[in-house]
Amino acid sequence: DSGVTQTPKHLITATGQRVTLRCSPRSGDLSVYWYQQSLDQGLQFLIQYYNGEERAKGNILERFSAQQFPDLHSELNLSSLELGDSALYFCASSVEALLTDTQYFGPGTRLTVL
Amino acid sequence: DQQVKQNSPSLSVQEGRISILNCDYTNSMFDYFLWYKKYPAEGPTFLISISSIKDKNEDGRFTVFLNKSAKHLSLHIVPSQPGDSAVYFCAASHNYGQNFVFGPGTRLSVLP
Repeated sequence: DSGVTQTPKHLITATGQRVTLRCSPRSGDLSVYWYQQSLDQGLQFLIQYYNGEERAKGNILERFSAQQFPDLHSELNLSSLELGDSALYFCASSVEALLTDTQYFGPGTRLTVL
Repeated sequence: DQQVKQNSPSLSVQEGRISILNCDYTNSMFDYFLWYKKYPAEGPTFLISISSIKDKNEDGRFTVFLNKSAKHLSLHIVPSQPGDSAVYFCAASHNYGQNFVFGPGTRLSVLP
């Protein structure tokens, strides 16, 4: 158990819909990262927040957005969902914002878009 | 275009022998590399890292080697154990603290 929690575990929705994935980092960790793992693409970095501020952006679509709240939990919002958005979404946290910090991953949210 | 490649989708090794997982990258600006292990239905777990100022880093049974001129790194697991069976991801980054790129992963099976 990494100490990072993600809800929900599974999510099934239809194309065109909007969903929110939630992540609670380990106690004391200020940085939160979001990743997408599709079947054929491996892990892709989406976005990083540090202490409430966006820190780095990866291959995140404009239909997706994220935020980190004052209590440091984070939400990833996915809108106008398409079939290709079906994937495992992982959240990770680390103490600081540097890549040299070990990231601790949550168990993931499996999103299925029908 | 994949900047980080793991050309072997899968690898099978006998228990007790050495497992060698390979990773190639194309961006010469990458200066920090990590290996993660992932079991089914779990998030990835950090294994070991190496910065570009080193060519080797060791942690117990795990050793990562970096060949900058060849843009190649490898993860050695000695001796391999059945519990090492998992998918291994290589990841690379430039500019500490910035986003980084994962490879597609290699599924390692360690046979008893």
